Formats: sequence, structure tokens, C-alpha cells
Amino acid sequence: GEDVEQSLFLSVREGDSSVINCTYTDSSSTYLYWYKQEPGAGLQLLTYIFSNMDMKQDQRLTVLLNKKDKHLSLRIADTQTGDSAIYFCAETVAGGSYIPTFGRGTSLIVHP
Amino acid sequence: DSGVTQTPKHLITATGQRVTLRCSPRSGDLSVYWYQQSLDQGLQFLIQYYNGEERAKGNILERFSAQQFPDLHSELNLSSLELGDSALYFCASSAQGDNQPQHFGDGTRLSIL
Repeated sequence: GEDVEQSLFLSVREGDSSVINCTYTDSSSTYLYWYKQEPGAGLQLLTYIFSNMDMKQDQRLTVLLNKKDKHLSLRIADTQTGDSAIYFCAETVAGGSYIPTFGRGTSLIVHP
Repeated sequence: DSGVTQTPKHLITATGQRVTLRCSPRSGDLSVYWYQQSLDQGLQFLIQYYNGEERAKGNILERFSAQQFPDLHSELNLSSLELGDSALYFCASSAQGDNQPQHFGDGTRLSIL
């Protein structure tokens, strides 16, 4: 079955890099997504990667995918206080309904 | 702004009551998804509609129902409400085609007293 795991909290200092990790169990995943949720708001799509890619970079965001270890990470360079939010990892799998399975979210706290 | 509109933002009601949550998808999106987010369960998929037809069903209780109208807006009906139904309810929409990323509304916060 599908299962997506994330650590619950990450605390970093402003200006440092943040790395949020995610593991999944289904090897037939097709797309993997990162969403950001700020307080009182919905989930905002940050970026996504197709499963045949190893890396995707978009400005301060770098996504790394290790298919062998079923591990996905989101690196945020030069982390700012405005990056404080909950980050959700999600995957869709081939042959299914293409409804993403979401992790429980990682709460990123950025302190001065 | 995701382009997905949900109303109302907040809803406070009592046990046993019935409520209707409304969602307008992004312009051009045919798929609408409903999710429930609570502290203990995380983000749970409830149901998906595509162009007016039910496409996929998740962990949706029998007390809950949804529909998508010809203008593509959707409503989620929650009845015989229980304290445990207190949660954030999100609507998301996506473009035509499999694996299209979902775009979320800001949610409706439902509080049952």
C-alpha cells in the first residue's frame, strides 16, 4: 500500500539551508509533490518531480529523488522567516486513481 | 491565490446539524477533490468529481455526500454532525488529464459545539 512518512518538525536559523525529508513505500510512484501550508491557508503547490528524474531546481528550491531508497527531499536555500510553514510531501502511483497520498507534514520553524 | 474559492471560511454549528460547504474550482479545471484535515488524522481524501461525475472515493463517511454541478462548482454536505467532524475541509481542483497537480482552496474551518 501507499504510505508517506515525514518528520514532524524542523528548526533552522534564518539564512541557513533547510532540508525536509520524506520517504514513501510504493515503488510504482509516478509523481512526487511538495506543498506548503501557511497558517489559515490551503496547501500551495511548490514543485513536483516525475519519478524518472533525480533532481529538479527552481530558484531557492531543490528537490532530490532517490528511487532506490524511496527518499525525497526538499532543500530550501537561504531560508527566510517567511518560509515558516508546514511542508507536505505527496505521491501518486501508476495504475491507481492518481489521487495523491499525503504525508503528515513537516513544520518548519525559522528563527532569527 | 490558487484560483480555488471555498465558502464559508468558518462555520460553527451544533451536533446533529447539517451543513453545506461550497467550492468553485479554478477556471477550466474539470476535477474537484474534497479533503478533511484534522490534527489526529492528517489530510484525508474524501471524494473526487470529474465533470459532474463521481470519479474516486476515499475515506468518506456515509453521513457525508458531495456533488458537482453543471457549472463545475461542487458542494460537500455533512449531516448528523458529531464533535469528531470538527476539522478543516479543503477543496482542490486540477486540469484535465491524469497526474495533474492539485490546487487547493483556503478551506472551510468547521467547528462543532
